[in-house]
Amino acid sequence: GQQLNQSPQSMFIQEGEDVSMNCTSSSIFNTWLWYKQEPGEGPVLLIALYKAGELTSNGRLTAQFGITRKDSFLNISASIPSDVGIYFCAGLRGIQGAQKLVFGQGTRLTINP
Amino acid sequence: GAVVSQHPSRVICKSGTSVKIECRSLDFQATTMFWYRQFPKQSLMLMATSNEGSKATYEQGVEKDKFLINHASLTLSTLTVTSAHPEDSSFYICSVSNGQGRQPQHFGDGTRLSIL
Repeated sequence: GQQLNQSPQSMFIQEGEDVSMNCTSSSIFNTWLWYKQEPGEGPVLLIALYKAGELTSNGRLTAQFGITRKDSFLNISASIPSDVGIYFCAGLRGIQGAQKLVFGQGTRLTINP
Repeated sequence: GAVVSQHPSRVICKSGTSVKIECRSLDFQATTMFWYRQFPKQSLMLMATSNEGSKATYEQGVEKDKFLINHASLTLSTLTVTSAHPEDSSFYICSVSNGQGRQPQHFGDGTRLSIL
């Protein structure tokens, strides 16, 4: 199935550094979502974006819905050890009642204390 | 609190066994539930969309007779992996949506299925 192009695939950073990851698509999405997944668990919703150009924050996390509706980025400021995990972008497409999520390949974040 | 409850969290069984996984919506009546499969170090791939009171819609390449889905109530969907084989070993995750507008999906904690 179609996937979004998410980059980078992995990041190794020092605690306290800022993190940036993004997703691009050749198709338009009407909603962009960012999830975090920890080992052995399901994804947890971090931020939902509903309008082109929208910039939304959730604590140290900030995400934007690209103006073309074909991309989104997620920034994490001042990273801490509990930020470790896999971050997935997801685009929602389709009409109400028949909507599907398409996921990016994920960005694995590792933090050195 | 949790929005979705998935059970069991882990299953280990012999080849040829059928395994049933339950997904319950705890916070709202979920007209639509989704079943995903995730192989190690890979992303989530949608298997099927489960609609309450009607037949599930399967994604291309997913065998409907292999992965039986029942969505008999607004709070419960089940996925049965029939005659499971080692290649069916994976992490199966459900999600729920209230079907209203563009509400995001909330995911269960997943079921780790290991077929020996």
